[in-house]
Amino acid sequence: DAKTTQPPSMDCAEGRAANLPCNHSTISGNEYVYWYRQIHSQGPQYIIHGLKNNETNEMASLIITEDRKSSTLILPHATLRDTAVYYCIVRVAASFGNEKLTFGTGTRLTIIP
Amino acid sequence: GAVVSQHPSRVICKSGTSVKIECRSLDFQATTMFWYRQFPKQSLMLMATSNEGSKATYEQGVEKDKFLINHASLTLSTLTVTSAHPEDSSFYICSAALAGGPGELFFGEGSRLTVL
Repeated sequence: DAKTTQPPSMDCAEGRAANLPCNHSTISGNEYVYWYRQIHSQGPQYIIHGLKNNETNEMASLIITEDRKSSTLILPHATLRDTAVYYCIVRVAASFGNEKLTFGTGTRLTIIP
Repeated sequence: GAVVSQHPSRVICKSGTSVKIECRSLDFQATTMFWYRQFPKQSLMLMATSNEGSKATYEQGVEKDKFLINHASLTLSTLTVTSAHPEDSSFYICSAALAGGPGELFFGEGSRLTVL
């Protein structure tokens, strides 16, 4: 799986959009960008994933650059409950027998009241 | 979404004793479960892959005789930390993949082990 680089920490004001960047310059054509988050002392939670098109769900939006070498996770209206460590993971599409995830160091996002 | 439950959520034991942690998929069958370990302020590290009805596959550097994994059914995997020592104190997290499904992982709440 391709290596990712994320800033170690970020702050964001409550109610504002939180934009979390991720660099994955060695990504391969068949690799997806996945985002998970881990709230303190809990298991990771799936947020979103995408291949090359921008994606949006009820939790977040994922913007992938045209060259796919970087992406941004956007939490449109951050709340205090969004304080967590966010992991950007690049991997081939999840499929039966290929579910293993390798976690990097992630970005510790702190939402400021 | 699919629910994965771990038990116990917290356990304290004396050095030299063994501790068993259970991981259950509550509303789906999981052919494969994964066990991760996380030390304070560090990321999750994969310990082993647990396959129903067969031996677990351990990551490099993980002692299989110390961390016994049993995946006896499609809804239950157990991790036993044998002869626990203070350095085994950690947050243990399991995840499960939907059997025959698209391969997305669902994570348990984690189990915090403290060895005195």
